Amino acid sequence: SQQGEEDPQALSIQEGENATMNCSYKTSINNLQWYRQNSGRGLVHLILIRSNEREKHSGRLRVTLDTSKKSSSLLITASRAADTASYFCATVEKDYGGATNKLIFGTGTLLAVQP
Amino acid sequence: EADIYQTPRYLVIGTGKKITLECSQTMGHDKMYWYQQDPGMELHLIHYSYGVNSTEKGDLSSESTVSRIRTEHFPLTLESARPSHTSQYLCASSDRGVHYGYTFGSGTRLTVV
Repeated sequence: SQQGEEDPQALSIQEGENATMNCSYKTSINNLQWYRQNSGRGLVHLILIRSNEREKHSGRLRVTLDTSKKSSSLLITASRAADTASYFCATVEKDYGGATNKLIFGTGTLLAVQP
Repeated sequence: EADIYQTPRYLVIGTGKKITLECSQTMGHDKMYWYQQDPGMELHLIHYSYGVNSTEKGDLSSESTVSRIRTEHFPLTLESARPSHTSQYLCASSDRGVHYGYTFGSGTRLTVV
C-alpha cells in the first residue's frame, strides 16, 4: 500500500506565484524526500529532510516536516513555467531504514505554471 | 559522468514474447530498485537489490523477475508479456546509508499488444 497522499492532486498557478504542496504519511520515518517528474520521464531528487529536522531550504524550495502530524509541505517560491511537472513525496520508513532504505511514494501533485 | 541508463526507451511487443529491460548505473551504488508507474499514477516498488546476488520482491506483486550479477547491472525480465504488463518501468539506485536520495533512469515505456 502507498505510504502517503498528496494534496492537492493538481494545482494551476501563474508565473511568479508561490506553489504549496502537502504530503501526509502513515508510519514512523527516517526521512522524507521530494521528487519532480517531467511528463513521461524519470524522477529527479529535489530535497531530503530527516525526521529530526523541521525545515530545510534549497534555492527556491522550502520543505517543512511535522512528525507529530505525519505531514510535510513543499513550497516553491517565484514559480516559473519550467517548474511545470508532477511532484512526489516519498518516505523511508523507520523499520526499513537499516539495509534497504526503500522509498515509498505518495500519489503526487501535478503542478502547472502558466506563463 | 555518473548516471543511470535504461534501455530501450520505448518498447511495443506482442503478447507471449519474452522481454528484458536493461538498467545500468556508473555510480557504484550498492542499492538498486525497479518501480512500476501507470500514467498519472503513483510509483509502486516491484523489486529491489542491496548488492550483488541479492534480490527481493517489492510491495507490488509482479510477474517479472530480476537478477544482480554485477553491481552496475540490474535487468528486469518478463518471460511472457501480457497486455496487463503495459506500463512505465523506472529503475533507480542509491548510495549506502539511509539519508541518500535516489537517482532515477529515464524509464522504459512498455506496451504489450
